[in-house]
Amino acid sequence: QVTLKESGPGILQPSQTLSLTCTLSGFSLRTYGMGVGWIRQPSGKVLEWLANIYWDDDSAYNPSLKSRLSISMDTSNNQAFLQITNVDTADTATYYCARMNRQLGYHFDDWGQGVMVTVSS
Amino acid sequence: DVQMTQSPYNLAASPGESVSINCKASKSISKYLAWYQQKPGNANKLLIYDGSTLHSGIPSRFGGSRSGTDFTLTIKSLEPEDFGLYYCQQHNEYPFTFGSGTKLEIK
Repeated sequence: QVTLKESGPGILQPSQTLSLTCTLSGFSLRTYGMGVGWIRQPSGKVLEWLANIYWDDDSAYNPSLKSRLSISMDTSNNQAFLQITNVDTADTATYYCARMNRQLGYHFDDWGQGVMVTVSS
Repeated sequence: DVQMTQSPYNLAASPGESVSINCKASKSISKYLAWYQQKPGNANKLLIYDGSTLHSGIPSRFGGSRSGTDFTLTIKSLEPEDFGLYYCQQHNEYPFTFGSGTKLEIK
């Protein structure tokens, strides 16, 4: 059974760096074509794709946030990570990680439950 | 970026009825559109990808179609568990973009 679970700090202050972890089970990030994406959703608002990382360490970023984003992975522990630097209140959202297989298309087959992040002074 | 215009914003229907939700892309995305269901307490669920391909385990009452840059999700014979939020996503090009969502409520 495929599962993804996000974890994060819960609350942080403006200008800090947000670090998120996605722990994967039921599949391996070493599998050919596999990828993990990060998507966020402010309360009551639209889903926003942030970044993807793939089995071969290829990555892609949303240009609107690219200067602040860094995506990485640890295949030994089957985890993916996202960092967002210099956060402000506009980064308050639920953050999701989701799985895709690039060989089959860029749709997200499985999602985590999401983790809420609040940026507040 | 590809803008996804989703309609309607709200939709009320009764169990057993059929409904349609629409997404229009601002430019060609070929067939590459996915539909997701979002419900409180549950992980988002992929329903359809490539415009009309039913994801594994999704009931056949869900269907997708395409006409140019217009895409439609149709749910036939609504079941109580179908009520929730629905989003479209273009998966043709970076950055991936989502529609604004449709809230399907029980009438």
